[in-house]
Amino acid sequence: LAKTTQPISMDSYEGQEVNITCSHNNIATNDYITWYQQFPSQGPRFIIQGYKTKVTNEVASLFIPADRKSSTLSLPRVSLSDTAVYYCLVGDIYNNNDMRFGAGTRLTVKP
Amino acid sequence: DVKVTQSSRYLVKRTGEKVFLECVQDMDHENMFWYRQDPGLGLRLIYFSYDVKMKEKGDIPEGYSVSREKKERFSLILESASTNQTSMYLCASRASWGGGAYEQYFGPGTRLTVT
Repeated sequence: LAKTTQPISMDSYEGQEVNITCSHNNIATNDYITWYQQFPSQGPRFIIQGYKTKVTNEVASLFIPADRKSSTLSLPRVSLSDTAVYYCLVGDIYNNNDMRFGAGTRLTVKP
Repeated sequence: DVKVTQSSRYLVKRTGEKVFLECVQDMDHENMFWYRQDPGLGLRLIYFSYDVKMKEKGDIPEGYSVSREKKERFSLILESASTNQTSMYLCASRASWGGGAYEQYFGPGTRLTVT
């Protein structure tokens, strides 16, 4: 199982770009990188997933360097509603026994 | 939209009671999961199931059991509740095939307090 390390917490202000980095030094060839977002009193929800280089969707971008030992979730122009816990997962996406959530990063967006 | 529902949002039980947490998904997903979430520890996998009547242990199965008699329903059972099982319990489901197979869909969670 790939072990992930991410910051416990981060603060930002409205309108700023936020980058949350996840380290995963022992990532395997079949592993994908997935990010989830969790608001208080709700279950996590999928944000974005990638294997290498850059992936972008309507809410975030995911940057993965060539060695894949880390990844960065980028949230453009955050608002107060982006205050949440963000989880990085690394593992074989089709193997139930291979995906584990880490402790997550608590992002607080201030006015 | 995929919907995963859990039987209770809040539950208070006494030590030694048998506790049932129910989870139902409406998307015909093959895979279902039970997690517990505690401050500073993130989500930890208790059990998962990849088919009816099939189950696999996750990282922390001790003190728990599961049941999957129908594809849409996955139950978590605390045989004899203890105070260290006070936690948020989250259920999730995932398809096995297709472009969305990598995404887990979560229910809203059940906050269980054991006194």
